[in-house]
Amino acid sequence: GAVVSQHPSRVICKSGTSVKIECRSLDFQATTMFWYRQFPKQSLMLMATSNEGSKATYEQGVEKDKFLINHASLTLSTLTVTSAHPEDSSFYICSARGAKGGETQYFGPGTRLLVL
Amino acid sequence: RKEVEQDPGPFNVPEGATVAFNCTYSNSASQSFFWYRQDCRKEPKLLMSVYSSGNEDGRFTAQLNRASQYISLLIRDSKLSDSATYLCVVKAGGFKTIFGAGTRLFVKA
Repeated sequence: GAVVSQHPSRVICKSGTSVKIECRSLDFQATTMFWYRQFPKQSLMLMATSNEGSKATYEQGVEKDKFLINHASLTLSTLTVTSAHPEDSSFYICSARGAKGGETQYFGPGTRLLVL
Repeated sequence: RKEVEQDPGPFNVPEGATVAFNCTYSNSASQSFFWYRQDCRKEPKLLMSVYSSGNEDGRFTAQLNRASQYISLLIRDSKLSDSATYLCVVKAGGFKTIFGAGTRLFVKA
């Protein structure tokens, strides 16, 4: 199946710093990428949807200035958590969908963010 | 009402048992349906798509009932390795994909 990678897999940072998470589709061109957040024992929550070369569409309640998304190429999308606070600590997962995957979304392995 | 609803469980079953999960969705215009599996602290992985005529993949059978707006997943001969959270996923028009909160399954020896 299609492969999606995320980096880093785990990050610990101080409150107030910014953290960038990369999501790459390794063997297909991802025309659409999705960013999710999952708190412990809760369901995936879609944060935003991005299409290559255009601005991301954010879900209600997600601050676009705090969670910066860049989908600069068909294989790379980045999520930057700006001025992170402890309440931003969560499991961030990206997924990608493209021509090879059809309607199927392939997920990255996720990034665990802990803000101290 | 949530767009996609699942019984959170947990379902505790012995090895070899048959277990079924249901999922209901609210948008009658939904077009595609999937079951994903998520292990603890891992990302979701596609288990199977759900087709109108129903489909089977080994011990797993998925069914869709458009009239009642629900999908189901049946697992036969449960294995310890089936222990996970099963996510019902519904895709409406466009790019919108909605995940259910998941049903937790524990298979015990």
